[in-house]
Amino acid sequence: KAGVTQTPRYLIKTRGQQVTLSCSPISGHRSVSWYQQTPGQGLQFLFEYFSETQRNKGNFPGRFSGRQFSNSRSEMNVSTLELGDSALYLCASSRWMEGVYNSPLHFGNGTRLTVT
Amino acid sequence: AQTVTQSQPEMSVQEAETVTLSCTYDTSESDYYLFWYKQPPSRQMILVIRQEAYKQQNATENRFSVNFQKAAKSFSLKISDSQLGDAAMYFCAYRSADRNRDDKIIFGKGTRLHILP
Repeated sequence: KAGVTQTPRYLIKTRGQQVTLSCSPISGHRSVSWYQQTPGQGLQFLFEYFSETQRNKGNFPGRFSGRQFSNSRSEMNVSTLELGDSALYLCASSRWMEGVYNSPLHFGNGTRLTVT
Repeated sequence: AQTVTQSQPEMSVQEAETVTLSCTYDTSESDYYLFWYKQPPSRQMILVIRQEAYKQQNATENRFSVNFQKAAKSFSLKISDSQLGDAAMYFCAYRSADRNRDDKIIFGKGTRLHILP
């Protein structure tokens, strides 16, 4: 079974630009969540999607947005990039469904975003 | 709001020895899940072990076990017979079991574990 796939692996952007990151979950997984990882702040939750609906959102500005498609693939978008957005962005999928609340997260390798 | 604290940013252990990583959390809820995730240098994070708060028995997975102290809100990870492949960043995480509340997963800042040959 293929794992969680994130593309691209590396990205370099300039301040003010926007970026779109992609995540393909494990087949059969309907929940996708996104995280920002930085050395100073650790791993911070961005948002979670289930069946194309955003279930949860972390404390990030509106420049960060996401969506999930009918095939469970997800994208996140960051507009008007700032230097502080440089980070490793991780996507995770899980088989979360009604009553199955402790299903583990399966992570992708991440996208390393550098903003210059 | 719930918080997860890992007080040891870095730790080292001799190969074949035992090491314990600390994690404390703060919550007003009674039903929740706790997890330890491992992120090796290759970056892909994987689940090490999980614990349901309503279970008193400590979870174990081969060389990995936890010491879950619900009253103290402590959830430490013990790695026995440490191996070079255990070198990684370890994250403790919390998630509410009440899906009607804010149930996003919360991670600690991590503990980097070095294994000394």
